[in-house]
Amino acid sequence: EIVLTQSPGTLSLSPGERATLSCRASQSVSSSYLAWYQQKPGQPPRLLIYGAFNRATGIPDRFSGSGSGTDFTLTISRLEPEDSAVYYCQQHTNSKYPFGQGTKLEIK
Amino acid sequence: EVQLVESGGGLVQPGGSLRLSCAASGFTFSSYWMHWVRQAPGKGLVWVSRIKTDGTYTNYMDSVRGRFTISRDHAKNTLFLQMNSLRAEDTAVYYCVRSVNGSFDSWGQGTLVTVSS
Repeated sequence: EIVLTQSPGTLSLSPGERATLSCRASQSVSSSYLAWYQQKPGQPPRLLIYGAFNRATGIPDRFSGSGSGTDFTLTISRLEPEDSAVYYCQQHTNSKYPFGQGTKLEIK
Repeated sequence: EVQLVESGGGLVQPGGSLRLSCAASGFTFSSYWMHWVRQAPGKGLVWVSRIKTDGTYTNYMDSVRGRFTISRDHAKNTLFLQMNSLRAEDTAVYYCVRSVNGSFDSWGQGTLVTVSS
């Protein structure tokens, strides 16, 4: 069973800075099925990135995804206050859909 | 506009049952795999179950298999989750989710299920 581990657990940055969030899989996974989500308090998650690097509809180009094999990254350039949220990675393999435990991004 | 609206959550005693519903609109319901994803209070996201476009194939996470049943009604554009033998650890917000190529592109607002005596 694939386990996704996200780091760091919490990230505190200032507006305008760049955030780099990591998602590591316990074994090699297909990039085609790696996604990233943003969840703000009291709201459902929102799809940001699918297929490791494709932005979902309406997602600004400040959000970008990269990686392959076991290591994937979500990068948010030019942070804005509304980027404060928990970010999850998720994979699809063998009829399972594991999520990472999340990274909390705080904007100072 | 894609809309997914869950209902049916509430407070139930351990061992009890609940049936969640999700009314779908704004897209061709029968063309998409559908899922339930849950989130315990203050915790992360956990995939629970999925159902194929035509309803002929289903999957479950290990801890709910045999207790939960996912189904769909294309005439009513509705997804269901029948939950039996509920446990305290099933307490969570349950989201109805649409998937495309393995990613979850549309989410409902969720319905809270609380299992407690």
